[in-house]
Amino acid sequence: NAGVMQNPRHLVRRRGQEARLRCSPMKGHSHVYWYRQLPEEGLKFMVYLQKENIIDESGMPKERFSAEFPKEGPSILRIQQVVRGDSAAYFCASSPADRGYGDTQYFGPGTRLTVL
Amino acid sequence: GQQVMQIPQYQHVQEGEDFTTYCNSSTTLSNIQWYKQRPGGHPVFLIQLVKSGEVKKQKRLTFQFGEAKKNSSLHITATQTTDVGTYFCADGSSNTGKLIFGQGTTLQVKP
Repeated sequence: NAGVMQNPRHLVRRRGQEARLRCSPMKGHSHVYWYRQLPEEGLKFMVYLQKENIIDESGMPKERFSAEFPKEGPSILRIQQVVRGDSAAYFCASSPADRGYGDTQYFGPGTRLTVL
Repeated sequence: GQQVMQIPQYQHVQEGEDFTTYCNSSTTLSNIQWYKQRPGGHPVFLIQLVKSGEVKKQKRLTFQFGEAKKNSSLHITATQTTDVGTYFCADGSSNTGKLIFGQGTTLQVKP
């Protein structure tokens, strides 16, 4: 059973470009969470999605960041007009449906974004 | 907003010594989870605690949840070099399932 997959694993962008990060949850999981980890810091929640729905985006910056989880295909975290401060590791996690809070989250390998 | 404080930030031990990291919240937690992240890696789920005063063991690792469900600890007995990494506690109380992570404790083990 494949785990959570993220691609690309490393992404380099110049300031002002767009970054698109992809996440395929574990088979059978319909809940996807995105977290950001700045260097030498802990993980910060960004957004929680279910298929075609954003459930909680309380951790998303108000501008330039968006996320989606379409009916078909991976979840996408999109960062427009990247700035150096966006350089971080972005982790996706998935959990099974129907168990509600406290469910175990399985993390992908992350995408390391570097903005030059 | 909801915060989870974790101490210490760093811990260097000699192989064979014990290690403990502590997690504290100002509010009551419905559950707390522990994750380990190796250098350059991703968080890996270790355990979840839900009951007041709960104690769980995994080989050399002992996890505790406080009686008031506001604090938790992870204790490693006789550390090994394979224990190196950052240990995070995470508050899983949110009804949306999001995790609020502590700052983590980075463990270095000298052979």
